[in-house]
Amino acid sequence: QVQLVQSGAEMKRPGASVKVSCKASGYTLTGYYMHWVRQAPGQGLEWMGSINPNSGDTKSAQQFQGRVTMTRDTSTNTAYMELTRLTPDDTAVYYCAKDRGQWLVFVYVMDVWGQGTTVIVSS
Amino acid sequence: QSALTQPASVSGSPGQSITISCTGSSSDIGNYNLVSWYQQYPGKAPKLVIFEVTKRPSGVSNRFSASKSGNTASLTISGLRSEDEADYYCCSFSRITTVMFGGGTKLTVL
Repeated sequence: QVQLVQSGAEMKRPGASVKVSCKASGYTLTGYYMHWVRQAPGQGLEWMGSINPNSGDTKSAQQFQGRVTMTRDTSTNTAYMELTRLTPDDTAVYYCAKDRGQWLVFVYVMDVWGQGTTVIVSS
Repeated sequence: QSALTQPASVSGSPGQSITISCTGSSSDIGNYNLVSWYQQYPGKAPKLVIFEVTKRPSGVSNRFSASKSGNTASLTISGLRSEDEADYYCCSFSRITTVMFGGGTKLTVL
């Protein structure tokens, strides 16, 4: 079955960077866009950006531009999200989510989600 | 740009129906049929329950239905059950921000 498995929890100091991985199974990563979404404690969902795993092209939300890098390794069917210059406000659960659109048609619908990766930023 | 606007909470008794609204603008909900809804239990990842305004993924109960009028989308859950108690988020394509979520609505089954 289609599944996304994310890397484990991270604790970082302010100013550091974090890189979260998202390994896809049950389908080929390059066939569907991948989204990254985060959720701060007690808060709602926040879209961070998306990557076309075939071309590597990315689109990120304005508030993360310059700090977020989304990449992929097609040989391991894994997507990555790196966030730099962390502050305590970046403390959140970070999710990867597969877009529903087949043949890389971007439909902005997240039909399969990873289990989430908790990132805590604290001095 | 702010998130789509949802009520913070709604409640209903078992067997009743409830509706959650999601208000956006002509930059998102009003001009695109790309509204989706997600159900999230505490400590769990969100789950897709509605996409493209009205469509249900395979495996989602037909007690879940949705619609759109103007700049507002709505999710209706009929025959309310205790297991429906969760947070619900709307989401839409936006020509300004690409993807926009609502602030979330906590559904309490009384």
